[in-house]
Amino acid sequence: QKEVEQNSGPLSVPEGAIASLNCTYSDRVSQSFFWYRQYSGKSPELIMSIYSNGDKEDGRFTAQLNKASQYVSLLIRDSQPSDSATYLCAPRGTSYGKLTFGQGTILTVHP
Amino acid sequence: GAVVSQHPSRVICKSGTSVKIECRSLDFQATTMFWYRQFPKQSLMLMATSNEGSKATYEQGVEKDKFLINHASLTLSTLTVTSAHPEDSSFYICSAPGQGGNTEAFFGQGTRLTVV
Repeated sequence: QKEVEQNSGPLSVPEGAIASLNCTYSDRVSQSFFWYRQYSGKSPELIMSIYSNGDKEDGRFTAQLNKASQYVSLLIRDSQPSDSATYLCAPRGTSYGKLTFGQGTILTVHP
Repeated sequence: GAVVSQHPSRVICKSGTSVKIECRSLDFQATTMFWYRQFPKQSLMLMATSNEGSKATYEQGVEKDKFLINHASLTLSTLTVTSAHPEDSSFYICSAPGQGGNTEAFFGQGTRLTVV
C-alpha cells in the first residue's frame, strides 16, 4: 500500500462547479496535512493546511480531515479555469517541513 | 517573506558529467533542507534531508555517492548529480521548513535537469 493515495483522475469539471479531491494515508502517526497546487514546470504552492478532525474553510477551498478513517479531502467551490493544475496531498513526515506527497490529481476546469 | 532560491532553473549536461544545484534560504537560516525529485507525470519523491554541519540523510533507494549533498552553511545546501545519465533527467526541487505560522515548507523554484 502506498503511503499516500489520491483519486487517480484526471478530474474534469465545468467552470463554476465543485471539484472534489480525495486522499488516504497509511501512517496513523501523521497529525498535519497539507494540500498543494502545482502548475506544470513549477514548484508546489500551499493551498490548505489542516491539523484537526473536521472541516476547515478558506475562501473557495474547504479541507476535511478524518483521522480515524485516515482520509483527507479538498473541495474547491466555484471552480475557475485558473484552478486547473495538479493537486498534491501531503501529510507531514517525521519532522517539520518533511512531506510525503501523494501521486497527485490533475484537475481541469473547462469554461 | 521567507524565500528559498534555487539555481539554476534549467541545465543541460552531457552524459558522464556532474551538475551542481544550489538551494539558498534568502532571509532566514535553515539547519535542514529537503531535496525532492519529480519525474514527468509523477509526484515529488523525497531524496534526502540535508543537515547543516553533518551528513545528509538519504531515503531508501537513493544513491548517496551519486547524489552528493553538502550543507556547509545555514543558508546554502547543494545537490551534485555525479556522472549524470539520461535517466537522471528530472525536475529537482529543494525546500526548507517553514518559520512557524501556516507555512510548512518553502520551496525553491526547481531545477529542470536534462542529460543528453
